Amino acid sequence: ETGVTQTPRHLVMGMTNKKSLKCEQHLGHNAMYWYKQSAKKPLELMFVYSLEERVENNSVPSRFSPECPNSSHLFLHLHTLQPEDSALYLCASSQDARSHYEQYFGPGTRLTVT
Amino acid sequence: GENVEQHPSTLSVQEGDSAVIKCTYSDSASNYFPWYKQELGKGPQLIIDIRSNVGEKKDQRIAVTLNKTAKHFSLHITETQPEDSAVYFCAASSYNQGGKLIFGQGTELSVKP
Repeated sequence: ETGVTQTPRHLVMGMTNKKSLKCEQHLGHNAMYWYKQSAKKPLELMFVYSLEERVENNSVPSRFSPECPNSSHLFLHLHTLQPEDSALYLCASSQDARSHYEQYFGPGTRLTVT
Repeated sequence: GENVEQHPSTLSVQEGDSAVIKCTYSDSASNYFPWYKQELGKGPQLIIDIRSNVGEKKDQRIAVTLNKTAKHFSLHITETQPEDSAVYFCAASSYNQGGKLIFGQGTELSVKP
């Protein structure tokens, strides 16, 4: 596998469920990101990790919990979500979080909360 | 904080015509302006970027122009092809914001054969 991969590609969950999104980058990058993409809205940055340390938490509700066990893997743990959380969740990586390096995006997980 | 406005939200052109997408930004400290293309079912992919010390940059059929005084930048695609059909996003960032990208709302470009 090359680039940035995300699993699952599609997820339907009830408001009381707990699920996790997984992201893996095969590029040797030091920074990883979670974005939320809703229809007709700009991409919203949720979290930034640099060398496994969280450096940005963009006022995201606590029902979203990120985890970065190493520089290649990033998770987003979901619990008690709301229907308005339905969106495409994109993972990205870049060489460095603090400079203007290209961000490489995964294909996203399409999340539907029922 | 930074705010990026992008226009138009949809754009339809005939194959072979040119397409122009415009963005404005609010933070005069922004100094990096990438453009991303997102095809159906895929994540955004960088197609071209420009830094504040340059006014124009070209890469084959695509070009980006930057006017720092007016705080706007534009994407130009010439000789459009059906495979150019996608959603295009502009973004802006500055070092004093930790390099965080602020995206525009996106433009859905449709190239009709």
